[in-house]
Amino acid sequence: GAGVSQTPSNKVTEKGKYVELRCDPISGHTALYWYRQSLGQGPEFLIYFQGTGAADDSGLPNDRFFAVRPEGSVSTLKIQRTERGDSAVYLCASSVQGRLGNEQFFGPGTRLTVL
Amino acid sequence: GEDVEQSLFLSVREGDSSVINCTYTDSSSTYLYWYKQEPGAGLQLLTYIFSNMDMKQDQRLTVLLNKKDKHLSLRIADTQTGDSAIYFCAEIMNQAGTALIFGKGTTLSVSS
Repeated sequence: GAGVSQTPSNKVTEKGKYVELRCDPISGHTALYWYRQSLGQGPEFLIYFQGTGAADDSGLPNDRFFAVRPEGSVSTLKIQRTERGDSAVYLCASSVQGRLGNEQFFGPGTRLTVL
Repeated sequence: GEDVEQSLFLSVREGDSSVINCTYTDSSSTYLYWYKQEPGAGLQLLTYIFSNMDMKQDQRLTVLLNKKDKHLSLRIADTQTGDSAIYFCAEIMNQAGTALIFGKGTTLSVSS
């Protein structure tokens, strides 16, 4: 498809486990963003990539969260030692160049549930 | 801290106008956005306004910007049941980046 895709759509894990969430941005989009949306809240910024590098990771809540984008396309958000408070929908977005005014296109999200 | 405020709920009848309000924090924000989120679907950009504008109209949507009060509103004319969704106001997080700060969202319920 032409849009941003995320896999899996749902992930259930146990407290303390490691999870990886994948994002496939729109082809040709150099900017990629991860957000987290908790129930009843708006999306909260986690990290922004411009190409392969993390241009801004100020939203990552702690060092259990890490994200990579090794080839400047697909990105993986990695969460170590998951906690119940990590349960949320993780959203990925991409934009053409990440410049002001460039529209961010969002994927459908991955719903993470930590038991 | 940075916080975008919105009222949480709005209920209207089909055919009426809906007005969703938002207060943002950064008076230097260059772009302000309205996103729509339907159940089970991703966020969809509805419209945006550049900070040098007071108003922007796009079909049934009208965006009003009051920079002095840092107030943004979205008016939906002739509201339809298909407009039922959560609407998020968003501003640019900081001048160095292009990530967005979102409000908590306004749930619009349209009854027939």
